[in-house]
Amino acid sequence: SQQGEEDPQALSIQEGENATMNCSYKTSINNLQWYRQNSGRGLVHLILIRSNEREKHSGRLRVTLDTSKKSSSLLITASRAADTASYFCATDTVQGAQKLVFGQGTRLTINP
Amino acid sequence: NAGVTQTPKFQVLKTGQSMTLQCAQDMNHEYMSWYRQDPGMGLRLIHYSVGAGITDQGEVPNGYNVSRSTTEDFPLRLLSAAPSQTSVYFCASSYSWDTVEKLFFGSGTQLSVL
Repeated sequence: SQQGEEDPQALSIQEGENATMNCSYKTSINNLQWYRQNSGRGLVHLILIRSNEREKHSGRLRVTLDTSKKSSSLLITASRAADTASYFCATDTVQGAQKLVFGQGTRLTINP
Repeated sequence: NAGVTQTPKFQVLKTGQSMTLQCAQDMNHEYMSWYRQDPGMGLRLIHYSVGAGITDQGEVPNGYNVSRSTTEDFPLRLLSAAPSQTSVYFCASSYSWDTVEKLFFGSGTQLSVL
C-alpha cells in the first residue's frame, strides 16, 4: 500500500511562476524526502526534511512538513523549463526505516 | 565516480525465461535496493540489503530473488518471467542503512515480458 499520496497528479504552469506540490502520508515517519525524475531517467534526490523540522530551503526549493496533518509540500519558486519533470515524495516509517515508500508523483510541466 | 550502474538498459523476455538484472555501485554504500516503476503506481520496493550477506523483502518481492555477496553488487533475479513483471526497474543505494537518506539511483532497466 502507498504510504505517500501526492497531488495534484499533474501541474502545468508558465515559466517564472511558482509550483506547489503536496504529499500526504499515513503513519509516523523519521523523515520525508523529495525526488525529481526527468523523462526516461533515474530519480535524483532533492531535499530531506526530518520529522522534527517544519521547513527547509535549498536554492529555489522550499519544503514544509506538518506532522500533525501528516502532510508535506514542495514549492519551486521562479520555475524554469528545466524544472519540467515528475516529482516524488518518499517516506520511511518508524517501524520500517529501511523501507522507503514513494508516492505516485506529480508531473510538472513548465511552459515557455 | 560512476555512481550506480545498471545493466542491461533494455531487455525483452519470453514468459518463463529467467534473467538477472545487474546493479553495481562504487560509493561504498551499505544500503542497496531494487524498485519497480509502473505507470500510475509510483515506485514499489522489491528487495533491499543493509550490507553484504543481509537482504530482506520489500512490498512486492514475489517472483524475484536477490543476493549480496559484496558491498558493490546487488543483482536481481527473475526466476520465471511473467507479463506482470513488465516494468522499469531501478536500483538505488544509500550511505546510511539505519534510516534511508538520499538514495542514488541507477538509470533503469526497461523490461518487457511477452
